[in-house]
Parts: sequence; structure tokens; C-alpha cells
Amino acid sequence: DIQMTQSPSSLSASVGDRVTITCRASQSISSYLNWYQQKPGKAPKLLIYAASSLQSGVPSRFSGSGSGTDFTLTISSLQPEDFATYYCQQSYSTPRVTFGPGTKVDIK
Amino acid sequence: EVQLVESGGGLVQPGGSLRLSCAASGFTFSSYSMNWVRQAPGKGLEWVSYISSSSSTIYYADSVKGRFTISRDNAKNSLYLQMNSLRDEDTAVYYCARGDYVWGSYRYLDYWGQGTLVTVSS
Repeated sequence: DIQMTQSPSSLSASVGDRVTITCRASQSISSYLNWYQQKPGKAPKLLIYAASSLQSGVPSRFSGSGSGTDFTLTISSLQPEDFATYYCQQSYSTPRVTFGPGTKVDIK
Repeated sequence: EVQLVESGGGLVQPGGSLRLSCAASGFTFSSYSMNWVRQAPGKGLEWVSYISSSSSTIYYADSVKGRFTISRDNAKNSLYLQMNSLRDEDTAVYYCARGDYVWGSYRYLDYWGQGTLVTVSS
């Protein structure tokens, strides 16, 4: 099975900050990497697919990069509505996908 | 507007059974694969099961294989998860999620339901 790790597990940031979250796969997954945002009590929401493609309707302050084993999600200027938990997910072994453990972004 | 609405969750004793449903609307249900993903309280996301658009291909996570059965009724725009021999560790919010893809192989889960809570406890 492909294992996914994320760092940090949590971070505190202020509105307007640039935030970067890292995701690492246990083997090369090319660009088969998606990012989701989840707010408390809500379903996950797709942000980025294929490592760097922005899902329709997602603000352009979100961006993704990387390939192989190392990936990043960047929020260029953190907004109040961005405080949430972010998960990466590999789709290389689809449909047996696996998620990272999540990164919680909260208010400093 | 795409909508996925789960139902059927509740409290069940260990060893018991439960059937979850997911009602889909706002898209051509028969054209999309579907998935169940669960989230234990305070934990991360775990993929549970996949079914192709025609039901010809089905997969399960090792943790539920032999106990859970996924199915769908394209005429009723509905997805199901039959859960048998339930264990404490199956306690979670269960989400149904639509699968889509681009460029032939880049797959993702683009729409999710609000989830239904399954609690396994004596």
C-alpha cells in the first residue's frame, strides 16, 4: 500500500499569511495527487487534482505543486474561511486511494 | 446542482448489521463511479469501497472486505453499503463520494455527501 504523510500536522497562522503544507508519498505517484479541505462537521471539498490543477470554483490563492513523492499545497494569502483541515490523497493506486493524516490550520 | 444525501446510520451493537443509502441528484448517476469513505471520530479519512458506473468493478479496503457489500441501483439513482459483522472500529461518519477523472487516468472525488454517523457499541 502507498502511505501518505503530511507536515506539519498542525499550524497556526494569521489572515494574510502565506501557508505551505507538504505531502509525501511512500513511493513515486507521478502527479496522481489530490488535495481536499475539510471544515468541522462538514464533508471534504476537492481543491486541487492531478497535483496542480485547480478545481472549478476554488479561489486562485490555492495552488498545488510537485510530482513523484513530494508535493505542496500553498495558500498565498490566508483568509478567514481557510481555517480548516487539509488532506492530500493519492490516486495512483486508484480506486484503492489513500489519504494523508491531515494538516489542521488554525488561527494564531 | 449535484447532491448526495446519505441515510441509514445509527447505533448498532457489535456483530450487528446496517444498510447505508446515498441518494444522488443533479447529474447522470449511471455515468459515474461511486465510493464510500469513512472518518472515525477525530480521525482522518479512510477509503472504504468503490463501485464502477455499471457495477462491473468493485473494490473494498482490507479492513472491511468480507463484511461490507457495496451496490447501486442506477434506475433509482442510489448507492448502498450493506455492513455486516460490525465492530467497534467501524464507528465513523460514512460519506458517499462521486468519482471523476481527467486526461484518461487522473481520478479524484469531486462531490461528497454530508455523511451519516454509524456508531457500533454495546
